[in-house]
Amino acid sequence: DAGVTQSPTHLIKTRGQQVTLRCSPKSGHDTVSWYQQALGQGPQFIFQYYEEEERQRGNFPDRFSGHQYPNYSSELNVNALLLGDSALYLCASRRQGEEPQHFGDGTRLSIL
Amino acid sequence: QKEVEQNSGPLSVPEGAIASLNCTYSDRVSQSFFWYRQYSGKSPELIMSIYSNGDKEDGRFTAQLNKASQYVSLLIRDSQPSDSATYLCADPPNFGNEKLTFGTGTRLTIIP
Repeated sequence: DAGVTQSPTHLIKTRGQQVTLRCSPKSGHDTVSWYQQALGQGPQFIFQYYEEEERQRGNFPDRFSGHQYPNYSSELNVNALLLGDSALYLCASRRQGEEPQHFGDGTRLSIL
Repeated sequence: QKEVEQNSGPLSVPEGAIASLNCTYSDRVSQSFFWYRQYSGKSPELIMSIYSNGDKEDGRFTAQLNKASQYVSLLIRDSQPSDSATYLCADPPNFGNEKLTFGTGTRLTIIP
């Protein structure tokens, strides 16, 4: 039973570019959340998707957007990348209304 | 806005000793707490969840929740080198709030 999978594992971009990160939830899960974890910090909630809609959003600018597909997989898009966007981006999935969330191993994004 | 404060460490403990990790939280209606362990470069892994006041023991791990003081702790007995990791406390989703609110994490090193 595959857990949460994320791709790519590492990514290097330059300022101003845009990036798309991908997540496949654990089998049986329908809800996907995205978190940003800066070095030495705890994960910060970006947003959550359920039934292909954004259900809740954290304190992140509109440069951060997402999408959920009918198969429950999800994408995180970040436009106009800034140096401060360098972080580990984590995807977590669960069945709606249930805990706990299961995390993927993340995508390490570096902005030069 | 929920907040979780965590003793940021780093914390070094001799092998075989007790490691003590602590968090305080701001949301008086929080009913439960999670503890995650995160090895370097890996995703957070849920190791303990506590849903009521008092203590919960699971092997070498004991979680304590004090709702009156808005305080939660994790004790690791007979610490092993494999316990070396960053430990994150998290206030889980509740009452329509869909996000996990994490502390900043405490980096624990067990000294052989």
